[in-house]
Amino acid sequence: DTEVTQTPKHLVMGMTNKKSLKCEQHMGHRAMYWYKQKAKKPPELMFVYSYEKLSINESVPSRFSPECPNSSLLNLHLHALQPEDSALYLCASSQVGRQVGGTEAFFGQGTRLTVV
Amino acid sequence: AQSVTQLDSHVSVSEGTPVLLRCNYSSSYSPSLFWYVQHPNKGLQLLLKYTSAATLVKGINGFEAEFKKSETSFHLTKPSAHMSDAAEYFCVVRAIGAGNNRKLIWGLGTSLAVNP
Repeated sequence: DTEVTQTPKHLVMGMTNKKSLKCEQHMGHRAMYWYKQKAKKPPELMFVYSYEKLSINESVPSRFSPECPNSSLLNLHLHALQPEDSALYLCASSQVGRQVGGTEAFFGQGTRLTVV
Repeated sequence: AQSVTQLDSHVSVSEGTPVLLRCNYSSSYSPSLFWYVQHPNKGLQLLLKYTSAATLVKGINGFEAEFKKSETSFHLTKPSAHMSDAAEYFCVVRAIGAGNNRKLIWGLGTSLAVNP
């Protein structure tokens, strides 16, 4: 199974709502990632979890709150978002590569988020 | 520091003709390089990767790329384009360095159009 599953596929939320995005993988990967992607742009890294601990936070606003309950699951909690936060949110996973050879990241299909 | 430059933002080919998507990279170390494809409103799929083994890398769907260290290039090619190849293509290098080996450095993308 080389799949990363994200739910929901689409989400519309108001600026006062609280919602969560979910991501699951069963490849035994111990690194998981959240990316934000605007139309016609490359993905922007938001957070990296390594062995279920937050290892990289790319100065993301606190209205985005990640959580890694176990090695297979990754959540992104959303609260008080702004319309400019509307984007495709992608989850990815990979092995924890320490070698120069590195490892590829496997991506989910994304959640299309619209903030109204 | 690592960086990646995709030399063309848009490429248009006719169905059945060759595809060439150009990518140059900058890295102080022996890099890990990847090509990802993203179809409209979809997630990212790994096409192929270079991790210091063979310099000619074969990927899925008939794509291949050649790592040329002297030219710092990793161009993506396909002998004969298919309509289903129309998508956004990203060239990616893995960052190397303490704490950074889980970061991917993304090119800005090349939009491939395939005309009937």
